[in-house]
Amino acid sequence: DAGITQSPRHKVTETGTPVTLRCHQTENHRYMYWYRQDPGHGLRLIHYSYGVKDTDKGEVSDGYSVSRSKTEDFLLTLESATSSQTSVYFCAISESTSGGGQETQYFGPGTRLLVL
Amino acid sequence: AQKVTQAQTEISVVEKEDVTLDCVYETRDTTYYLFWYKQPPSGELVFLIRRNSFDEQNEISGRYSWNFQKSTSSFNFTITASQVVDSAVYFCALSDVIKAAGNKLTFGGGTRVLVKP
Repeated sequence: DAGITQSPRHKVTETGTPVTLRCHQTENHRYMYWYRQDPGHGLRLIHYSYGVKDTDKGEVSDGYSVSRSKTEDFLLTLESATSSQTSVYFCAISESTSGGGQETQYFGPGTRLLVL
Repeated sequence: AQKVTQAQTEISVVEKEDVTLDCVYETRDTTYYLFWYKQPPSGELVFLIRRNSFDEQNEISGRYSWNFQKSTSSFNFTITASQVVDSAVYFCALSDVIKAAGNKLTFGGGTRVLVKP
């Protein structure tokens, strides 16, 4: 158990409303990531964080923002939700090692988001 | 750009049959890492294996085995004597190093394995 929780686990919202998803870890790991999962695409990276207040964009970052004010929490915000953002969102963490790319990512349980 | 291709979208087998999942990747990096994850029907992602580009030895873990061939850019996964509990979606992923910032994973589209009793 990697000690990762996501909240909410399920959410239904309407187009145009802001939505915030939370990822919480108990492992004190430095690196955290947000992915979305869509049929046929596997998982795609939205944003990632390499420390408190240190974040950067991933492959599919348009329409999303993130914040990390504490080591244990990584928030993903959909500024104005659209139907194309209906997806399953996964948070992941990885251990802080030498940064050589070998860190294994462990995933949270996921959040199912439906935008009507 | 990194790319991972899992050409098989779905495989259906009868229990006790062997099943091999293909994974082909593209990268310009000389050092990289490959991963397999399992996603059972319950939806969570379970880490199975990590392999670095310098280690081409095959690996076996119980009924699972992995064949890494750098020459063909493939990292295939075999389940021997499949069981119903092996029914899941399996993802292959390639690591892209972000200097001093962890790593980004590029995932294949996944292969759904259905094991029938």
